Amino acid sequence: AQSVTQLGSHVSVSEGALVLLRCNYSSSVPPYLFWYVQYPNQGLQLLLKYTSAATLVKGINGFEAEFKKSETSFHLTKPSAHMSDAAEYFCAVSARYGGSQGNLIFGKGTKLSVKP
Amino acid sequence: GAGVSQSPSNKVTEKGKDVELRCDPISGHTALYWYRQSLGQGLEFLIYFQGNSAPDKSGLPSDRFSAERTGGSVSTLTIQRTQQEDSAVYLCASSISRGGTDTQYFGPGTRLTVL
Repeated sequence: AQSVTQLGSHVSVSEGALVLLRCNYSSSVPPYLFWYVQYPNQGLQLLLKYTSAATLVKGINGFEAEFKKSETSFHLTKPSAHMSDAAEYFCAVSARYGGSQGNLIFGKGTKLSVKP
Repeated sequence: GAGVSQSPSNKVTEKGKDVELRCDPISGHTALYWYRQSLGQGLEFLIYFQGNSAPDKSGLPSDRFSAERTGGSVSTLTIQRTQQEDSAVYLCASSISRGGTDTQYFGPGTRLTVL
């Protein structure tokens, strides 16, 4: 079975500092991987996704993530945090094949706070 | 264009009552998903529809939960005899197809509170 673990339910950074949100996955075969962002009282918005092309994936709002098979990780980074980045971030995985293809399995989420 | 819409945005009900939650997917999207977001369980997959195929109900937590999709478009999630543990935000998402690489677009959710 697939699963996703996000280390740190809450991360706080200063404006302008590096953002690093950690995600590790468990899957028998490399899955598809996603990062979604959720602003207060809103639905989820896709930041970026890994679908087995380049291992370094660039997304919206200056975020990027690197797929590392040897570490089963897909950490999300942004070089310089902005106040508007304050939100909850979810890492998700979906199967490439089979009956559950497409169904997203989410991590517990990491709430990012940005201090001025 | 219009995104995924859900109604109502908030629903408060009494324990034991039935509720219906509605989702309007993006026009032309054949795949439709329901997820539940709760404090205790996080984000969970509930059910999936693809065109006229039989739905994938593997995520439904009990037989009190059911869903239908009429005409390959609008979907309704029904919860019968609601319990307090059903309190959560119910999210709907749609995508062009079920391919694992296809982006799922989420609606704003329906916040269900069972008293």
